[in-house]
This record gives sequence, structure tokens and C-alpha cells, in this order.
Amino acid sequence: DVKVTQSSRYLVKRTGEKVFLECVQDMDHENMFWYRQDPGLGLRLIYFSYDVKMKEKGDIPEGYSVSREKKERFSLILESASTNQTSMYLCASSSPPPRQGRGAKNIQYFGAGTRLSVL
Amino acid sequence: GNSVTQMEGPVTLSEEAFLTINCTYTATGYPSLFWYVQYPGEGLQLLLKATKADDKGSNKGFEATYRKETTSFHLEKGSVQVSDSAVYFCALSDREGGSYIPTFGRGTSLIVHP
Repeated sequence: DVKVTQSSRYLVKRTGEKVFLECVQDMDHENMFWYRQDPGLGLRLIYFSYDVKMKEKGDIPEGYSVSREKKERFSLILESASTNQTSMYLCASSSPPPRQGRGAKNIQYFGAGTRLSVL
Repeated sequence: GNSVTQMEGPVTLSEEAFLTINCTYTATGYPSLFWYVQYPGEGLQLLLKATKADDKGSNKGFEATYRKETTSFHLEKGSVQVSDSAVYFCALSDREGGSYIPTFGRGTSLIVHP
């Protein structure tokens, strides 16, 4: 089974702290994604990555950065946490590479989520 | 651009009732369509998918048919159980701009009472 593991289920941080959310997948997927999930807003894409050291902005990248030094690991960084970043964060991975194959293979596999509270 | 619209919830049903959750989409290309489910305290997981017109995806008693003429992918189940209580997301994947970034609906919460 594909496994996407997020390092923490719950985090409580203070305003202004630098926060790292880690995600690891074990299926050698090229694509990895970070979303945030808020009531009434569904899933919103923050950043995604198609390859090691490669990143692209999603719909709401402001206040976030990412790092992908190894294929299996994709980190989300909140440079200076703010209260409006309190949310559920979901990591996902998928295969194959975006310019090959059919869309049906682009199934996303999600981690269990990290619920972040910024006080 | 692409978009997915699904009915707002919550949808509240009694056990063994019939379920329909509506989903319509707009896409520039010829997308694949998905339903994901999120059980309480968990991430999303794929429930079913369809890749071309008139395809029917099915899993765990749930079904959805890819209707290109109405751009719809409604989720149905003939007899829901308490354990089906979850949030359901309709999604599409399309090669817009050379990428396969999926587009998700906002989710529909389903509550099933005994």
C-alpha cells in the first residue's frame, strides 16, 4: 500500500515562529503537493513539486515556502507563523510525471493531515 | 480554467436511505473524474474514478457515471450505512497547460443516523 506520512498530527505554535511540516512518501512518486483545508473552502493548493529541487506555486503560496531535497520528502515551511495560518494541512503524492500517461493514473494519495494551531 | 461544483452539505440521511451527491464540472480538455472520501480524523482517499464518457466507477457500493453531455459525475449509493458518514470530494484531473494538477470541489459532508 502507498503510504504518505506526515510527521505530526497536531501542532501548536506561537505567532512569529518558524514552522516545519514534513511529509514522506514511500512509493517513489514524482509529484508531491501541499494543501490546506478549511471549513467551507475545501482544499486549496499551496505548493507542488514535480521533481527533486523543483517547486511551483499553487493557488495560495503567500506566507509559505517548500523544500524538496530528496524525492520522498516534501517539506512545508511557514517562515513566520500567523494566526490566519491555523488550519488543517494535507500532503499528497501522485504518479506518473505530469507530461506522460493518462489522467486516470494521476490518483492522489494523501497523508492523515496535520492540524496546526497558531496562537 | 477548470472547476468542480458539488452540492453543499451537510446531507443527513437515515441508515439504508438512498444517497445522491451532485457534482458538475467545467474543463478545458477531456478530464478524468474522481470521488475521494475523507473519514473523520483522516486524509482523503480515492473512492472511485472514471476516465472517459459513459464510464461508471464503483467501489464499496458507491457508483458514479461520467456524463460528458451534462458535464456531471454524481455519486450514488443505494443503501447508506452509519460508517459512510464522511466528507466526499469530487475532483477532476486534466492536462491543462501541460500539467495534471487536480481540481477539487469544496466537499460534501454526509451524516448517516442509525
